[in-house]
Amino acid sequence: DGGITQSPKYLFRKEGQNVTLSCEQNLNHDAMYWYRQDPGQGLRLIYYSQIVNDFQKGDIAEGYSVSREKKESFPLTVTSAQKNPTAFYLCASKRQGGSYEQYFGPGTRLTVT
Amino acid sequence: GENVEQHPSTLSVQEGDSAVIKCTYSDSASNYFPWYKQELGKRPQLIIDIRSNVGEKKDQRIAVTLNKTAKHFSLHITETQPEDSAVYFCAASVEAGNMLTFGGGTRLMVKP
Repeated sequence: DGGITQSPKYLFRKEGQNVTLSCEQNLNHDAMYWYRQDPGQGLRLIYYSQIVNDFQKGDIAEGYSVSREKKESFPLTVTSAQKNPTAFYLCASKRQGGSYEQYFGPGTRLTVT
Repeated sequence: GENVEQHPSTLSVQEGDSAVIKCTYSDSASNYFPWYKQELGKRPQLIIDIRSNVGEKKDQRIAVTLNKTAKHFSLHITETQPEDSAVYFCAASVEAGNMLTFGGGTRLMVKP
């Protein structure tokens, strides 16, 4: 399970609270991604970053924010503006150039009540 | 933007039979098509991928075919085994593996 890690595995929050999910990689990958997975559905892209200090919105960025201050780290904040935040969140990383493969972390299951 | 549809949503086969999962995409500029396998509660893992300059790729019991004209691609698993049971996702990308758009997933069940 080395290479890309996410913590914690399970996270519980009350409605109205912001929460930050951690994603760290030691693969020296330039690009990092956040996806949301809902039961029985595919993965949907929230944000991605191809280089430090730069990131772009994906298909469902509303209610989320990210930062990319270090190459190794790409934290995701789920804000109180996200209407339905309970989901499984997956982080991924990719080396730019050469291989196109995205490597996924183990995921964080967020439950908001 | 890109739209990827995947069928069937569930597939049950007998051990030893073949399984085929099909995906269609909308953006003719898409040039990279990976397939991921996700076991229950685990991370998705790449099992095979294909770029638009080839029509077929094989890796042991797994193969992927791509029809650019019809904008569809398929995953073929032969001699299925119980450990093949998982959810399989197809995806498409326009730019070198960035901005992946995923299909809705297929739950494959292999009965011993």
